[in-house]
Amino acid sequence: EDQVTQSPEALRLQEGESSSLNCSYTVSGLRGLFWYRQDPGKGPEFLFTLYSAGEEKEKERLKATLTKKESFLHITAPKPEDSATYLCAVHEPSGGYNKLIFGAGTRLAVHP
Amino acid sequence: GAVVSQHPSWVICKSGTSVKIECRSLDFQATTMFWYRQFPKQSLMLMATSNEGSKATYEQGVEKDKFLINHASLTLSTLTVTSAHPEDSSFYICSARDIVSYEQYFGPGTRLTVT
Repeated sequence: EDQVTQSPEALRLQEGESSSLNCSYTVSGLRGLFWYRQDPGKGPEFLFTLYSAGEEKEKERLKATLTKKESFLHITAPKPEDSATYLCAVHEPSGGYNKLIFGAGTRLAVHP
Repeated sequence: GAVVSQHPSWVICKSGTSVKIECRSLDFQATTMFWYRQFPKQSLMLMATSNEGSKATYEQGVEKDKFLINHASLTLSTLTVTSAHPEDSSFYICSARDIVSYEQYFGPGTRLTVT
């Protein structure tokens, strides 16, 4: 069964303290790994899509990397406004509609 | 660009009534839209896949007669929760897949409370 596991479940950082979030997946034939940011009471905001091992993408203080079994979301010198839940998802190609399977998310809190 | 709207943003209804939630892609076309449900501190769970001009595909355990989905155009899908019960109270989020880029963009969600 296809699965997506995120760790840690929650992470508390001091402003400026860099860290990484992990997303491990088991899916036959990866067709895309996605990172989203979700603020409380809002829908997920698209961050990155990664398709192949070795691929990296950056946006401001965030950098996403992908291996054959997992992805990391690196946060460099985070600020309080980076506090949110970060969701990882993979495409499940069943039925031809490319459903997204989400992990449980990592709740990040950045304190000044 | 790539904006998805949902209406209403929140709704309170009485048990036994029906509620309709709209999902619109504002600046792109989407032949496929997805409906998710999210309970507090939990991740998104896919309920159904909505396809323009055809019947929706429901995930296992989701009652198709209770959660009616209509995808009438390339920019609009609706979810109707029929005969709502308190256990249907949740955060409902839609997403739309851009017909050109294939990226999925999410709406802001609709908070449903059934009293």
